[in-house]
Amino acid sequence: DIVLTQSPALAVSLGQRATISCKTNQNVDYYGNSYMHWYQQKPGQQPKLLIYLASNLASGIPARFSGRGSGTDFTLTIDPVEADDTATYYCQQSRNLWTFGGGTKLELK
Amino acid sequence: EVQLVESGGGLVQPGRSLKLSCAASGFTFSNYGMAWVRQAPTKGLEWVATISYDGSSTYYRDSVKGRFTISRDNAKSTLYLQMDSLRSEDTATYYCARSDPRDVMDAWGQGASVTVSS
Repeated sequence: DIVLTQSPALAVSLGQRATISCKTNQNVDYYGNSYMHWYQQKPGQQPKLLIYLASNLASGIPARFSGRGSGTDFTLTIDPVEADDTATYYCQQSRNLWTFGGGTKLELK
Repeated sequence: EVQLVESGGGLVQPGRSLKLSCAASGFTFSNYGMAWVRQAPTKGLEWVATISYDGSSTYYRDSVKGRFTISRDNAKSTLYLQMDSLRSEDTATYYCARSDPRDVMDAWGQGASVTVSS
């Protein structure tokens, strides 16, 4: 199984940059694509796709969100952070079945 | 607008069965794979099962294999999850999600709550 590891929480100030990391125990690259995706979930709501294939912005997502990485190391960046960004962020791989990271709760300082 | 609406959740005793449904609209259902993802109270997201666009292929996490069955009716644009031999650890909110050709879950329902308790 592919295991995804995220830090449990991150606190940033409004207007600053937030960088959330996700590390996998196996390579999730395949034929030039990294099968890593990012989701945002606010309390009481369903998850929402932010970034797909490591670095592609999903439809309707503001350009403050960006993703990068390949192989086993990936990051989601929010710059600048706004109050509405307080949520839990999950990485997910679809290279071999599907697994999610444990989630990173983003809070404001 | 893409819409996914789950139904069929509720309280069920351990060992009993429950069937969830997910009604899809706003897109051509038969063109997409579909998935179920669950979230236990205060926990993270956990993939449960996926079915291909035509129902010919299904995939399950190990802990539900042999107990859960994912299926679909493309004529009714509806996804199902038959859950048998339920355990307390199956207690969760169950989300259905659309899975695009790159296996990205790009649309989600609002979730159905399942509680397994005596």
